[in-house]
Amino acid sequence: SQQGEEDPQALSIQEGENATMNCSYKTSINNLQWYRQNSGRGLVHLILIRSNEREKHSGRLRVTLDTSKKSSSLLITASRAADTASYFCASSGAGSYQLTFGKGTKLSVIP
Amino acid sequence: DTAVSQTPKYLVTQMGNDKSIKCEQNLGHDTMYWYKQDSKKFLKIMFSYNNKELIINETVPNRFSPKSPDKAHLNLHINSLELGDSAVYFCASSQAHLDTQYFGPGTRLTVL
Repeated sequence: SQQGEEDPQALSIQEGENATMNCSYKTSINNLQWYRQNSGRGLVHLILIRSNEREKHSGRLRVTLDTSKKSSSLLITASRAADTASYFCASSGAGSYQLTFGKGTKLSVIP
Repeated sequence: DTAVSQTPKYLVTQMGNDKSIKCEQNLGHDTMYWYKQDSKKFLKIMFSYNNKELIINETVPNRFSPKSPDKAHLNLHINSLELGDSAVYFCASSQAHLDTQYFGPGTRLTVL
């Protein structure tokens, strides 16, 4: 299965600290995406990184991709209470038309 | 304006009933999806569909069927509902397969 696995499952930090979440996948990918889900809401796309890219930034978000290790990380800098949510990575294997989501990291940012 | 909308937001029904969940997107996207999120927050693709093909996850029971009256709509029909169907169902759309996906707010289905 192409399923990604996030690590850690849960993370609790103080406001202002950085949060790092990791994602591992099993086979070669076309791209890898990160999504956020606030409680009781749908998923919101954060960043898409292609297999030939190594790093992407969007505001306080930084995503890295290491295809040799089949892993990606999402860094949120200077976290805010509003960043409290579950974060999912999703990947698509070569030849696949579908995204496979990991189980998510639940981030709690304490004011 | 809401990009991807679903109705109803909550659906409570008895085992054995047949129900439908509607999804509409106003983004002009070519591809739409249905996902099931269980109580442990695990999100699983059920179907992806564009005007050319339907891709079905082989683990989805044939009691579930997507129906697309036009490019902007992909409804989910569920026959003979079972307790294990209780979950949150999300509709999503993207311009093409593997592009950024835009999710609806979800429909919480409870089967009693």
